[in-house]
Amino acid sequence: DIQMTQSPSSLSASVGDRVTITCQASQDISNYLNWYQQKPGKAPNLLIYDASNLETGVPSRFSGSGSATDFTFTISSLQPEDIATYYCQQYDNLPPYTFGQGTKLEIK
Amino acid sequence: EVQLVESGGNLVLPGGSLRLSCAASGFTFSSYEMTWVRQAPGKGLEWVSYISSSGKTIYYADSVKGRFTVSRDNAKTSLYLQMNSLRAEDTAVYYCASGGRGSWYHWGQGTLVIVSS
Repeated sequence: DIQMTQSPSSLSASVGDRVTITCQASQDISNYLNWYQQKPGKAPNLLIYDASNLETGVPSRFSGSGSATDFTFTISSLQPEDIATYYCQQYDNLPPYTFGQGTKLEIK
Repeated sequence: EVQLVESGGNLVLPGGSLRLSCAASGFTFSSYEMTWVRQAPGKGLEWVSYISSSGKTIYYADSVKGRFTVSRDNAKTSLYLQMNSLRAEDTAVYYCASGGRGSWYHWGQGTLVIVSS
């Protein structure tokens, strides 16, 4: 099975900061990577699919990049409402659809 | 508006069974792949099971294979997860989600399963 290593596990940043989260796959997954946001007590919400495509309605301060094994998720200017846990998820070939361990983002 | 509403979560004894349901509305249910994802208290997301739009293709995580059975009724626009031989480690919030090609665009609010004596 493909393993996803996400880092950091937690992150504290100030409003307006640029925030970056990385996700590394244990093998080449092309661009078959999603990023989800999960706010406390809520279901996950798809932000980015196919590594770099912004889901409809998602603010443009969110972006994703990468291919093969190395991927990056960026918030260009952190807003208070961005406080959440972020997960990467691969969907290369067949299931299992592995998630990363998550990155808990807090405001400094 | 797309809605997914899970139900059936409960407190159950180890070794017991439970059937979760996910009622879908606001979209053409029969055209979408469905999945179950769970989240243990304070932990990350774990993919559990997948079913194709027709119901003919099904996959399970190794952790639930042989114990859980996913099914769907497109006429009733509903998804199900039959969970048998439950263990303490199955304690989690269970989410159903719809989408395709491994991307899950719409999620339910989740239903809590607690396995404990």
